[in-house]
Amino acid sequence: EPEVTQTPSHQVTQMGQEVILRCVPISNHLYFYWYRQILGQKVEFLVSFYNNEISEKSEIFDDQFSVERPDGSNFTLKIRSTKLEDSAMYFCASASPRGLANTGELFFGEGSRLTVL
Amino acid sequence: AQSVAQPEDQVNVAEGNPLTVKCTYSVSGNPYLFWYVQYPNRGLQFLLKYITGDNLVKGSYGFEAEFNKSQTSFHLKKPSALVSDSALYFCAVRMRGGGGNKLTFGTGTQLKVEL
Repeated sequence: EPEVTQTPSHQVTQMGQEVILRCVPISNHLYFYWYRQILGQKVEFLVSFYNNEISEKSEIFDDQFSVERPDGSNFTLKIRSTKLEDSAMYFCASASPRGLANTGELFFGEGSRLTVL
Repeated sequence: AQSVAQPEDQVNVAEGNPLTVKCTYSVSGNPYLFWYVQYPNRGLQFLLKYITGDNLVKGSYGFEAEFNKSQTSFHLKKPSALVSDSALYFCAVRMRGGGGNKLTFGTGTQLKVEL
């Protein structure tokens, strides 16, 4: 069964460093998302991406964050200068046009845990 | 704006007993509703969804959920709980049509099933 894959599974970084989290969505999907979950808290929407541009972003997604689809398969989240409060589990998700129209279902990866020291 | 409320941070159930995890939502129009489960150190796994039609939807692992439009609820249920059901459960909502494609999640309910 096709799945969304994320790398790295866990990254530890120093405050102020740049971090790139990578995602490989399901191959025929065209809608891509990043969510985050601070330990013990709710899953929060960060950004959605379609047709090579951001379609929606939350107030969390400030200038320190950026997303990119550098090739036909990867979808990346970059944090330019990490802060302690960026420590969280980051989930990538994807959806197909048909899937969204019919069921609204998103498929999630297993997450990348980011620890900022 | 769309929102989801899960009023219980934790639900404790004895194995073999029925379980209910509550969810209420607020959205303009008719929603898509979802339940996702998260096991320790794992990602979000899709459990079931309500799109249209029958108010009782059945999902994975024997779970089901009942859509109640008048009460704007979508409670997750299982007739007989297993210890292996212990996990964090998230209810989520998405608007139909306009308003973007994002899912809005509740705060999660930790289910603990004990022998």
